[in-house]
Amino acid sequence: GENVEQHPSTLSVQEGDSAVIKCTYSDSASNYFPWYKQELGKRPQLIIDIRSNVGEKKDQRIAVTLNKTAKHFSLHITETQPEDSAVYFCAATSGNTPLVFGKGTRLSVIA
Amino acid sequence: NAGVMQNPRHLVRRRGQEARLRCSPVKGHSHVYWYRQLPEEGLKFMVYLQKENIIDESGMPKERFSAEFPKEGPSILRIQQVVRGDSAAYFCASSPPSNSNYGYTFGSGTRLTVV
Repeated sequence: GENVEQHPSTLSVQEGDSAVIKCTYSDSASNYFPWYKQELGKRPQLIIDIRSNVGEKKDQRIAVTLNKTAKHFSLHITETQPEDSAVYFCAATSGNTPLVFGKGTRLSVIA
Repeated sequence: NAGVMQNPRHLVRRRGQEARLRCSPVKGHSHVYWYRQLPEEGLKFMVYLQKENIIDESGMPKERFSAEFPKEGPSILRIQQVVRGDSAAYFCASSPPSNSNYGYTFGSGTRLTVV
């Protein structure tokens, strides 16, 4: 089955700097890669996703890149703000099985 | 659209009691997923259900855990004879028929504490 590895487990950045979180997956059939943000005590919320037919997708300060050959994808947050502080989860699926999540990255943006 | 509704938000059970967690999916969604989240850990898949059918229960412990999604009413995750190790946040997610394993919407979770 699918296995998703996520790094780093914790990340601290100064406000205004960029943050990058990386994930690798094992199943070459995976074709959908969402990212979820979970604030303390709240539900995971989808912030951006990418399908395997594109290499990059951007939404304002958030972008995701996908390298199918290397089987890894990354989340990029630019101009970080204190409200970006949360736990971020990557996930993958081929569409035939439920989403498999990484273990999460705790991002702290220091004002 | 009320989103995915889970109740209760917090549940305290003594060891040996039963815990019953409820999940009402987004209106029109026919796929329900249950995930368990331990402190400082990721979301671990437990079970995937459609109305009246268990599609994939590969992540659910064989003993004491069961799930259902009846034709009418919410999906239920039942944990019998709870133990301290069952303490966790249990999240339910739903997705529409056209996007079965894509585009999950999560509920706010039930935080189970076993004392």
